[in-house]
Amino acid sequence: EVQLLESGGGLVQPGGSLRLSCAASGFTFSNYAMSWVRQAPGKGLEWVSSIISSGGSTFYADSVKGRFTISRDNSKNTLYLQMNSLRAEDTAVYYCAKDERPLVGATPEGTFDYWGQGTLVTVSS
Amino acid sequence: EIVLTQSPATLSLSPGERATLSCRASQSISSYLAWYQQKPGQAPRLLIYDASNRATGIPARFSGSGSGTDFTLTISSLEPEDFAVYYCQQRSNWPWTFGQGTKVEIK
Repeated sequence: EVQLLESGGGLVQPGGSLRLSCAASGFTFSNYAMSWVRQAPGKGLEWVSSIISSGGSTFYADSVKGRFTISRDNSKNTLYLQMNSLRAEDTAVYYCAKDERPLVGATPEGTFDYWGQGTLVTVSS
Repeated sequence: EIVLTQSPATLSLSPGERATLSCRASQSISSYLAWYQQKPGQAPRLLIYDASNRATGIPARFSGSGSGTDFTLTISSLEPEDFAVYYCQQRSNWPWTFGQGTKVEIK
């Protein structure tokens, strides 16, 4: 059974940092691109960042580029999101999500078949 | 950035009725469109990928159609568990984007 378990969310002041983790199990983690998608309270879904299976290429939404860093450790089956210079508008539930198909080319496939339960990040003074 | 516009914002229907949800893209995205269902307090669930392919375990009452800029998600006969918010998402161009959602509520 595929499982994705996020952790690391919490309350942080504007300008602060936080590191999210997503522990994966039930599939061959190293074969799949992974992504982070967020949802502000009462709002819709927003793609944040993606990383290919090897970790060699990363992709970011303009809203987080230069502030967030996605990474992965395939030996630990874990995905990360380092979030720096946090703003109030970064307040959201952050979900990790798995690509629906194994990576074939050099870019993530972009359909998400499994999602974690989410971790809440609140940026407030 | 490709904008996805979903309509209607809210759909009020009774169990057993047919639901038709629309998603329109601001430019052609071929068939690179997915549909997700989200219930309160839960993560999204993949229903349809590449416009018309049902994901694993999704009941046959869910179907998707369309290509280019106009897409439709149809629920042939609403079950009580189908009342939720539905999002479309494109993977044709970076950044990947989602529609604003359609809420299917009990009439």
